[in-house]
Parts: sequence; C-alpha cells; structure tokens
Amino acid sequence: NAGVMQNPRHLVRRRGQEARLRCSPMKGHSHVYWYRQLPEEGLKFMVYLQKENIIDESGMPKERFSAEFPKEGPSILRIQQVVRGDSAAYFCASSPDTPSYEQYFGPGTRLTVT
Amino acid sequence: DAKTTQPNSMESNEEEPVHLPCNHSTISGTDYIHWYRQLPSQGPEYVIHGLTSNVNNRMASLAIAEDRKSSTLILHRATLRDAAVYYCILRVSGYSTLTFGKGTMLLVSP
Repeated sequence: NAGVMQNPRHLVRRRGQEARLRCSPMKGHSHVYWYRQLPEEGLKFMVYLQKENIIDESGMPKERFSAEFPKEGPSILRIQQVVRGDSAAYFCASSPDTPSYEQYFGPGTRLTVT
Repeated sequence: DAKTTQPNSMESNEEEPVHLPCNHSTISGTDYIHWYRQLPSQGPEYVIHGLTSNVNNRMASLAIAEDRKSSTLILHRATLRDAAVYYCILRVSGYSTLTFGKGTMLLVSP
C-alpha cells in the first residue's frame, strides 16, 4: 500500500505566479489534511477535506489560498499570486474513512518564492 | 485548544532509554494524547496515542499520569534514526485536526 504522495517535491515560483500542490492520499483514505511549516516554525493546520467537501478551513489564509478534493483525483492546494512569505514546506496527511487516531503524512512540497 | 509544554531539546546516547516529558495541565476528560515525530526533511510520523491507560507499541511506550496532566514518551533503546523533533499533541475527541507545538528536538549521540 503506497503511502501519501505529494508532488512536486520542490516548486519554485516567482512572485505573482500561481502554485498548485497535489496530494494523493493513501488507498482507501477519504480524509485529507493540509499543513504548512514555515522556516524555523512548527506545523500549522490549514484545511481539512473529505471527498468533495471542505470540513474545516479555519487555518487557511482568507485570500489567495484554496483547496479542493474532487471525487476523482488528488487533493489540490492552490496559492494564487504567491508572495515571498508563502515560501514554506506544505504537508498533506490522510486518514481512513472513519476519523482515525493516526494521520499519515506525505513527504511534503517545498515551495520557494523568488 | 488545550496546550502542551515540552522541553526544547534533549540529548541521549545510542542504545539508552529516552524519556520525553510533556505537560498538559489543561487537558479535558475527552482529549486524546498523541505523539508524532518529524525526522529532518520529512513529514511527521505517528508514534503512539493514548487516553488514560499506558500504551505500548513497536515504536515506543506512552506513560500517562493518573491525573492526566502529564505524559511521557519512552523510547526503550534510542538509535541514531530516532533523532527527530517529537511532538506531544492533544486531540479533541470528535475532531480530527492536530495542533502542533514546537516539540522536543531529540539528539542521539553514538
């Protein structure tokens, strides 16, 4: 059973461009979580999604950030008009159909904004 | 959110036991205690969780104080691969999201 997959692993964008981060959860998992880790800081929760639904987006910045988890395909975290402060590692986690004690994390996407 | 307090860093020698403490004096009766760790340049990894009783698994043991205001993660024999940041997290029952603090950076020397 493959683990949580994220791509790309590294992404470089210029200020003002769009960044799209993809997350494929583990097989059979329908809960996806996105976290952000700024340099020298801890992980911060951003958004929690189930298939086609956003359950909790309390950690998402109000502007420029959006997330989706369509019925088919990976979950996407989209950042429009990136700024240097968006440079961070973005981690995706998944858990099984029922709320689980464990979240399984992917290797992360490291976004660098130049 | 209930908060946890952990030492910033701890050191250990290889093959010795390690006891990582966590204080959570404001824990509520239905909060679960979770431990995750993050190796350098990797995503976090689940270690163990518990509610009231001590727990053991292949990675570690979790000792929970009787009043639940503190807990200790025990690595029975530290290896160099255990060098990581260890996070103690309280997860509210019925909620899935995790709130990470700064964690404890564990350094393991040969």
